Amino acid sequence: SQKIEQNSEALNIQEGKTATLTCNYTNYSPAYLQWYRQDPGRGPVFLLLIRENEKEKRKERLKVTFDTTLKQSLFHITASQPADSATYLCALGNSGGYQKVTFGTGTKLQVIP
Amino acid sequence: KAGVTQTPRYLIKTRGQQVTLSCSPISGHRSVSWYQQTPGQGLQFLFEYFSETQRNKGNFPGRFSGRQFSNSRSEMNVSTLELGDSALYLCASSFLAGEETQYFGPGTRLLVL
Repeated sequence: SQKIEQNSEALNIQEGKTATLTCNYTNYSPAYLQWYRQDPGRGPVFLLLIRENEKEKRKERLKVTFDTTLKQSLFHITASQPADSATYLCALGNSGGYQKVTFGTGTKLQVIP
Repeated sequence: KAGVTQTPRYLIKTRGQQVTLSCSPISGHRSVSWYQQTPGQGLQFLFEYFSETQRNKGNFPGRFSGRQFSNSRSEMNVSTLELGDSALYLCASSFLAGEETQYFGPGTRLLVL
């Protein structure tokens, strides 16, 4: 069955450093991969989408890589700030048809001032 | 534009009762998806509605049901509540069914005692 693993439940990092979160998957050939941010008591907020034929995508301080051979995505936050503290979810989706998105359980990032 | 709204935000029920949760999508969005989020299982897809029809369904028992109205508002119902149904129930909307980017509401926190 499909499985998505995010590297750790929690990650602590010093302010100003680059945070790197990992998303690994098995038994899946996704058409795209997404990263979401979720704050306590709130719904996930979409951050970035990367397609199977793309290697890297950037948005401001965020960078996502997608390696379909390794079945892995890396999510980087450069120059991290305490405001970046949140849970980050990766999600894999199929193309076409109706909603078929599978989420990982998330990594809780804590940026320490 | 107002975001996705969910009511109620918090709910306490006892085992055996039933519950109805409501979701109003972003204006103009016609697709509504429902997810259950628990610490152990993460975000799990329940079902997706588009144009008042269920288009896709996750792996949940028949106690979980939903519907969508002509104004795109959606409700989900859980009958014969079990302790394990305690979770954050999230709905997400998109303009069309199966769109890659979804916009999540704040969720309804359900506690079953």
